[in-house]
Amino acid sequence: AQSVTQPDIHITVSEGASLELRCNYSYGATPYLFWYVQSPGQGLQLLLKYFSGDTLVQGIKGFEAEFKRSQSSFNLRKPSVHWSDAAEYFCAVGSYSSASKIIFGSGTRLSIRP
Amino acid sequence: DTAVSQTPKYLVTQMGNDKSIKCEQNLGHDTMYWYKQDSKKFLKIMFSYNNKELIINETVPNRFSPKSPDKAHLNLHINSLELGDSAVYFCASSEGDSPLHFGNGTRLTVT
Repeated sequence: AQSVTQPDIHITVSEGASLELRCNYSYGATPYLFWYVQSPGQGLQLLLKYFSGDTLVQGIKGFEAEFKRSQSSFNLRKPSVHWSDAAEYFCAVGSYSSASKIIFGSGTRLSIRP
Repeated sequence: DTAVSQTPKYLVTQMGNDKSIKCEQNLGHDTMYWYKQDSKKFLKIMFSYNNKELIINETVPNRFSPKSPDKAHLNLHINSLELGDSAVYFCASSEGDSPLHFGNGTRLTVT
């Protein structure tokens, strides 16, 4: 069965510290992977996506993610977080040929400690 | 200009009522969607329309009826609202292989 697991429900990091949000997936075919961010009261905004090629992808707002096929993971990283990064982060997997087939993880809430 | 806009932002209503949520996208996308986000933030697709035609209809009660008057609009009508319908409903759109573009959501509270 296709699924996405974000094992951390809530993470708190200090401003300026590094961040890693975990994402593991189960997908029968070659996965297309996404990270979205949802700020309070807002819709989901695409941070980055992986379809093929270089397994380290760069996104907006200084985020990056690394696809590791052997570990079925697509973890999101940022070297130094800012207070404005506090939000809900969603990992998603799907078939690039059809956005309607995307499956979302349950999200990780990121809080920033001043 | 907002790419995907939905109205209203908040909707509070009583059980048994009928309500509608509207969605419009100005991106020129062919496909539009409705997602439901429950209280645990779990996001699940409800419907998908491509050029005004229904292409995905997940296991959703038939009290929910999407309507697409043209490819830029996808409205969601809900009959006989129940407490369990309380959630945030997101409209989204995409074109071909592009990622989803989401609206800001409609928080529906049924009392």
